[in-house]
Amino acid sequence: NAGVTQTPKFQVLKTGQSMTLQCAQDMNHNSMYWYRQDPGMGLRLIYYSASEGTTDKGEVPNGYNVSRLNKREFSLRLESAAPSQTSVYFCASSLAGSSYEQYFGPGTRLTVT
Amino acid sequence: GENVEQHPSTLSVQEGDSAVIKCTYSDSASNYFPWYKQELGKRPQLIIDIRSNVGEKKDQRIAVTLNKTAKHFSLHITETQPEDSAVYFCAASPQGAQKLVFGQGTRLTINP
Repeated sequence: NAGVTQTPKFQVLKTGQSMTLQCAQDMNHNSMYWYRQDPGMGLRLIYYSASEGTTDKGEVPNGYNVSRLNKREFSLRLESAAPSQTSVYFCASSLAGSSYEQYFGPGTRLTVT
Repeated sequence: GENVEQHPSTLSVQEGDSAVIKCTYSDSASNYFPWYKQELGKRPQLIIDIRSNVGEKKDQRIAVTLNKTAKHFSLHITETQPEDSAVYFCAASPQGAQKLVFGQGTRLTINP
């Protein structure tokens, strides 16, 4: 099993450009999450999908959109990138909600210039 | 909403000594408290968790204690080893919520 995979691993964008971060899991998990990690700020939840067909905002949703494409895949889109979105992005999944272990992907390091 | 505070932000201990990291939470309805370890350049991984119906849980050199009255929980690492050097995150999950709220992290350094 590959677990949770993310693409790309690294990305550099110019201000105003758009991009989509891809995430997939092969553990048959119901819940999926997107976090951003900034120095000294811990892991902050952007959006989550408790189950296929549902998505909800987390702590820092502004400037992002998500799509739960199917049970395996959960993508994060930046419509118009800003320097403040420079961060490391982690996707995670869990069996059924936040009271179960979350398995993280390897992360995407995004720089917006 | 839930707020989780973690202390200290950095911690340096001698190899073989114990390390303690503390977290407080604000929502008394929170009922699940995991701890994640993140090595440099790697993804976070769960090391231990505790639920609100339990006061303490141990797994070899790692233990977590929970005080629901005071709304705080702590991670204890005994007989520290160089491979324990990492950033540790606590988190809390309010009952009925489908998300975790993380603390800011503690960078633990084990000195040989």
